[in-house]
Amino acid sequence: GQQLNQSPQSMFIQEGEDVSMNCTSSSIFNTWLWYKQDPGEGPVLLIALYKAGELTSNGRLTAQFGITRKDSFLNISASIPSDVGIYFCAGQLIPPTSGTYKYIFGTGTRLKVLA
Amino acid sequence: SAVISQKPSRDICQRGTSLTIQCQVDSQVTMMFWYRQQPGQSLTLIATANQGSEATYESGFVIDKFPISRPNLTFSTLTVSNMSPEDSSIYLCSVELWEGLGTDTQYFGPGTRLTVL
Repeated sequence: GQQLNQSPQSMFIQEGEDVSMNCTSSSIFNTWLWYKQDPGEGPVLLIALYKAGELTSNGRLTAQFGITRKDSFLNISASIPSDVGIYFCAGQLIPPTSGTYKYIFGTGTRLKVLA
Repeated sequence: SAVISQKPSRDICQRGTSLTIQCQVDSQVTMMFWYRQQPGQSLTLIATANQGSEATYESGFVIDKFPISRPNLTFSTLTVSNMSPEDSSIYLCSVELWEGLGTDTQYFGPGTRLTVL
């Protein structure tokens, strides 16, 4: 199925470091959502973005909706061990004809934090 | 937000059999989705299930293999039919919630981990 390009694919960082990841696409999206998934769990919504250029924070997390509506990034500041997990972006795709909105997911960023 | 539960949480099945996964949400929602997440991979949309209409399947997924029911606004089932080891995946249901003008979001259940022997 269709997926968004997400990078980096994985990263090891030291506790306390800042982390940045992004998603890009050739398609235009209405909405960007960022999720974190822990092993054996469903994805948990972290941040939702609804307007081009929007910058939103949730604690140590900050995400932005790209001006072109084709990309988004997520930053995590001062990482801690519990930030370990897989992070997914998801874009809400507008169907070309009247129909159901659907979400396309990024390939995921696997984050490992070294204490 | 929404509280979403799935049953079973996991199962081990024999090839050729079928498994029905249930998804229950604590509020009425129009749109429910079913995803598959193969080991180590991202989420792939199987189908969109709206109450009162037939499910809409994505390319590569067919109703005979993944029949879906949506009898009311809080419940849906996905059946994985005639299973093979390639069907071993996590199956996730999700719902779309409107939380204000132009602000819809998607919430996920905990997933059903299926292993086919």
